[in-house]
Amino acid sequence: ELKVEQNPLFLSMQEGKNYTIYCNYSTTSDRLYWYRQDPGKSLESLFVLLSNGAVKQEGRLMASLDTKARLSTLHITAAVHDLSATYFCAVDGRSGNTGKLIFGQGTTLQVKP
Amino acid sequence: EAQVTQNPRYLITVTGKKLTVTCSQNMNHEYMSWYRQDPGLGLRQIYYSMNVEVTDKGDVPEGYKVSRKEKRNFPLILESPSPNQTSLYFCASSSRLLVQGRFYGYTFGSGTRLTVV
Repeated sequence: ELKVEQNPLFLSMQEGKNYTIYCNYSTTSDRLYWYRQDPGKSLESLFVLLSNGAVKQEGRLMASLDTKARLSTLHITAAVHDLSATYFCAVDGRSGNTGKLIFGQGTTLQVKP
Repeated sequence: EAQVTQNPRYLITVTGKKLTVTCSQNMNHEYMSWYRQDPGLGLRQIYYSMNVEVTDKGDVPEGYKVSRKEKRNFPLILESPSPNQTSLYFCASSSRLLVQGRFYGYTFGSGTRLTVV
């Protein structure tokens, strides 16, 4: 059974600091996704990582994928208050296909001024 | 605009009264799915569909029904809602095909907050 685990689950940080969220998954998968969710809102796609060594950056967020270690990271650079949200990683549960996303528990990020 | 549309956004109903939450996508995606989100339990898949007339159970299908008669629509049916189905529901769609050489992954609807009393 595919499991996806994130850590930390809660992160409180000061503006301007850097931090990393980790996402481990238990079996082989060729697609990993990062989403952002604001309270009561939908999931906003941040990154789609498709291959080993993939690195993508958007603003202060950078995501990477190591399929051999079954690990993805979401790095936050010089955090600002607007980044406060819950971040989910998710993995396709069906290799070579889409349709079943398995989510991590989510990391709630609180950026303090 | 490419989107997944869910209706209604909010719904309060009574135990046992059948209801349907609609989901429609305009991207010609072959895959559609339903998730529920609960505090402490995260996001869990209810049902998914790989194409018209092809559906399968997710992790928490009990108490739900779905149908996929048209490619764009994937309604979620609660035949006899119970309070434990109070949750935030999301519909999502995706395609394994590349669009202009790029894989876009999943698009989520805005969500339906359902309360069963």
